Amino acid sequence: DTEVTQTPKHLVMGMTNKKSLKCEQHMGHRAMYWYKQKAKKPPELMFVYSYEKLSINESVPSRFSPECPNSSLLNLHLHALQPEDSALYLCASSQPSLAAYNEQFFGPGTRLTVL
Amino acid sequence: KNQVEQSPQSLIILEGKNCTLQCNYTVSPFSNLRWYKQDTGRGPVSLTIMTFSENTKSNGRYTATLDADTKQSSLHITASQLSDSASYICVVSDSNYQLIWGAGTKLIIKP
Repeated sequence: DTEVTQTPKHLVMGMTNKKSLKCEQHMGHRAMYWYKQKAKKPPELMFVYSYEKLSINESVPSRFSPECPNSSLLNLHLHALQPEDSALYLCASSQPSLAAYNEQFFGPGTRLTVL
Repeated sequence: KNQVEQSPQSLIILEGKNCTLQCNYTVSPFSNLRWYKQDTGRGPVSLTIMTFSENTKSNGRYTATLDADTKQSSLHITASQLSDSASYICVVSDSNYQLIWGAGTKLIIKP
């Protein structure tokens, strides 16, 4: 299984809602990532988990809260978002080793719209 | 400052034709360079990854080249198909394995 899955595909939420994005992989990867991508821009790294521990937080606002319950799952909890947070949220996974070929496999993304 | 620049920003070609996309980078130290294909609203899919010692790598109709001396890479697409319409993103990894992303080239294949 060489696939990263993300749910839901689309999400519309109000600024007072609480929602969660989910990501799952069964490739045995021990590094998982959240990216945010605005239209016509490259993905921006938000968080990196390595061996289920948060290793990188790219100064992301606290209204985004990541969680890695186990080595296959990665969640992104959303609360009190702003309309400018509307974007495509991508999950990726890779081996966490320092080998040159630490290829990241991306999921299809969740299209988030904040009203 | 670590940067990755791609050209052209967009390109329209007829089905069956070849094309070449360019990537220049100023990332140092350099670990590897990747080309991703991204369909609109979908996640990026890796096409090739090259390290310092590799100067060409193919994946079907896609051939990437790397000149580590001039810090340039190209992605050549042969016999284009309608399904090749997508954004192609050049990504360079530094020694800390941080990914520096280019802005991408939007390729449109017309029948």
